[in-house]
Amino acid sequence: ETGVTQSPTHLIKTRGQQVTLRCSSQSGHNTVSWYQQALGQGPQFIFQYYREEENGRGNFPPRFSGLQFPNYSSELNVNALELDDSALYLCASSWELAGGDFGPGTRLLVL
Amino acid sequence: GIQVEQSPPDLILQEGANSTLRCNFSDSVNNLQWFHQNPWGQLINLFYIPSGTKQNGRLSATTVATERYSLLYISSSQTTDSGVYFCAVFLWAAGNKLTFGGGTRVLVKP
Repeated sequence: ETGVTQSPTHLIKTRGQQVTLRCSSQSGHNTVSWYQQALGQGPQFIFQYYREEENGRGNFPPRFSGLQFPNYSSELNVNALELDDSALYLCASSWELAGGDFGPGTRLLVL
Repeated sequence: GIQVEQSPPDLILQEGANSTLRCNFSDSVNNLQWFHQNPWGQLINLFYIPSGTKQNGRLSATTVATERYSLLYISSSQTTDSGVYFCAVFLWAAGNKLTFGGGTRVLVKP
């Protein structure tokens, strides 16, 4: 195990709803990155938080937003859910931006 | 942006067999990681290997940075090696993110 935890493990929502996913970073890590993994594909970078500020964003619309807290844990918020948002959401924590140890993921199903 | 391609896309092995997975990338990188994703979705880091060769038990990896490829070797495969293997590259100039390949799905049969 990596020491990175995510909650919830599974989630079912309906189209148009909002969802919040949570990630607790590994002790001593100040960077959290979020990835979306659609079925059968590699993870795609959503954004990264470093010392409580957004520090890089992938090709995702503004309805994907996030926060990082003083203890370096993080939230991913998705508004106005669409069917294509159904995926495995992974967070990775690291020290000073590079690389990452991944959490177990949250499986989101949008109906 | 940087492109990462993995081959083969699928691999079926008999237990005990050896195999080689390949990762090609389109630009110079600052780091490269190999991951194993188990059936439950957990990504396990296998190697940080921007260049050179590393070994960890039955697994080893070699990255030839000048030729922009990396190889992951699995020797004496076991059923627990089944899953998806991803390589991911990191480039400071491309933003602070990992760019993943499409993965190689490995099934080891008993």
